[in-house]
Amino acid sequence: QKEVEQNSGPLSVPEGAIASLNCTYSDRGSQSFFWYRQYSGKSPELIMSIYSNGDKEDGRFTAQLNKASQYVSLLIRDSQPSDSATYLCAGPYNQGGKLIFGQGTELSVKP
Amino acid sequence: EPEVTQTPSHQVTQMGQEVILRCVPISNHLYFYWYRQILGQKVEFLVSFYNNEISEKSEIFDDQFSVERPDGSNFTLKIRSTKLEDSAMYFCASSDATSTDTQYFGPGTRLTVL
Repeated sequence: QKEVEQNSGPLSVPEGAIASLNCTYSDRGSQSFFWYRQYSGKSPELIMSIYSNGDKEDGRFTAQLNKASQYVSLLIRDSQPSDSATYLCAGPYNQGGKLIFGQGTELSVKP
Repeated sequence: EPEVTQTPSHQVTQMGQEVILRCVPISNHLYFYWYRQILGQKVEFLVSFYNNEISEKSEIFDDQFSVERPDGSNFTLKIRSTKLEDSAMYFCASSDATSTDTQYFGPGTRLTVL
């Protein structure tokens, strides 16, 4: 059974700090990962996709993928109260497109 | 910017009734999906659809569920005889030319079964 695991949190950081969100996965063959943000009662909103080992930066967000350690992370620099949400890590179950989601990490950014 | 749309935003139904949830995927996307999220739980895959047929379905997607693309724009999820445990948010998603491409989610339909 392929799994994606996240620490459910809550993770609390002060405004302006770096928030670090982590995710591990069980399938060594997984090639791509996605970070989604979900506000309460809303749908998942894509933040980042990452396909290669290493870092990928987009504005205040950096995704990191380490395939050897089966680990993917999301760093949010200069965290803002508007970043307060649940962050979902997702990976493909197979080539058919089915995504497996982690349980999500709740982030709270305090002003 | 193109987006996935879903209707209705909230559906209340009696147990045993049929419901149809509607989605309009992003226009040039070829792969379509339904996911659901029970309150406080993970997002769960239900079914994927490509080239007018189901590509994959989960254990949740039993005979009570069906999907259809009745025309060139709509993608529907039908639940034939709703159960209390079907109460959840149902999300439609679509992706571009490859099945492993990024999936974009619609706003969801909240289904409440009484």
